[in-house]
Amino acid sequence: NAGVTQTPKFRILKIGQSMTLQCTQDMNHNYMYWYRQDPGMGLKLIYYSVGAGITDKGEVPNGYNVSRSTTEDFPLRLELAAPSQTSVYFCASSYRAGGPDTQYFGPGTRLTVL
Amino acid sequence: DQQVKQNSPSLSVQEGRISILNCDYTNSMFDYFLWYKKYPAEGPTFLISISSIKDKNEDGRFTVFLNKSAKHLSLHIVPSQPGDSAVYFCAATRVFDMRFGAGTRLTVKP
Repeated sequence: NAGVTQTPKFRILKIGQSMTLQCTQDMNHNYMYWYRQDPGMGLKLIYYSVGAGITDKGEVPNGYNVSRSTTEDFPLRLELAAPSQTSVYFCASSYRAGGPDTQYFGPGTRLTVL
Repeated sequence: DQQVKQNSPSLSVQEGRISILNCDYTNSMFDYFLWYKKYPAEGPTFLISISSIKDKNEDGRFTVFLNKSAKHLSLHIVPSQPGDSAVYFCAATRVFDMRFGAGTRLTVKP
């Protein structure tokens, strides 16, 4: 049981390049989330999904896209990378939304845009 | 708008003593509050939560207190151990909306 896995661990992009951050969970959770964490700040929700084929925007969605074709996978797409997207990205999943149920987090992807 | 604030970026305590981490929030619609612990190069891991209708929840060495009138919660760790050294995030949630504080780095000295 690997939990939530993310690839890659690190990536450097040039301005204007695109990339996809991969996220997979093996806990059969319906709910999945993408967060970003900037230095000295808390995590901010980018997008979330309540199940395969259903996604919605979080607090900071601009510049990102997501898709959810399976229960296990929730990739995050950056189309035109900008320096403001330099951050650490965390994927998470949960059995239910909100309440006391914890979200399980992946180890993160550290992205630098130069 | 920063709806959840942790005003102390760092805290240092001696092993065996009490650690108290504080968190303030502004939105009275949050219905659960959670604490996460984070080690370097890892994702946050859940520590303890409390419902907005309660004022205390305890789990072993960890106790969370909620003061709704002051919109304030705190995490008490007693006794503190060197392995508790990590960054602690306070979070507040209502359905899909989870807001995090900026974190407090706790260092427990032997």
